[in-house]
Amino acid sequence: AQSVTQLDSQVPVFEEAPVELRCNYSSSVSVYLFWYVQYPNQGLQLLLKYLSGSTLVESINGFEAEFNKSQTSFHLRKPSVHISDTAEYFCAVSDGTGGFKTIFGAGTRLFVKA
Amino acid sequence: DAGVIQSPRHEVTEMGQEVTLRCKPISGHDYLFWYRQTMMRGLELLIYFNNNVPIDDSGMPEDRFSAKMPNASFSTLKIQPSEPRDSAVYFCASRRTGLNTGELFFGEGSRLTVL
Repeated sequence: AQSVTQLDSQVPVFEEAPVELRCNYSSSVSVYLFWYVQYPNQGLQLLLKYLSGSTLVESINGFEAEFNKSQTSFHLRKPSVHISDTAEYFCAVSDGTGGFKTIFGAGTRLFVKA
Repeated sequence: DAGVIQSPRHEVTEMGQEVTLRCKPISGHDYLFWYRQTMMRGLELLIYFNNNVPIDDSGMPEDRFSAKMPNASFSTLKIQPSEPRDSAVYFCASRRTGLNTGELFFGEGSRLTVL
């Protein structure tokens, strides 16, 4: 069975400061890892993913995450956040079976303050 | 290209009433997933379909919940009878085999309130 733990339920941060949202997973098989973002009253959107290859993956809006197999982590980072990054972020894992049946963490609410 | 479409966006009903939530996946997508989101339990996978066939319904909480996919462009999630603890946001998501990105495409959700 797979599971995802997001260690922080809320992360307040000032605009232009760096941020790290933590994610740890457990799985007995190879995994694929994802970060999704949910803006208020919207569905989830894929932010970035690790499937294979380079362990450092990036999104188009400046977020990055690093797959660390030994620590079973996939933390999300951004060196300088904007007000518009305020949203809920979900870490997720799949073993690729079941049409990429995906298990989500509880979510971390990022609140960027001016 | 239209995304995943869910209806209704909001539903308020009284305990004991039947609730039907609807989903239209993205055309060409052969997997459809129903998730439930609550503050207490986060995002839970309820059931998923492949080519209109239910594959895994182990996440369906009780017999009061049922889901169908009569064709490739339509799915329903029904709760009968509804209870206050069913209040949540229900999401539908879809994806297409062969797109080995693993990405799920989500609808905007149906917010259900059971009084």
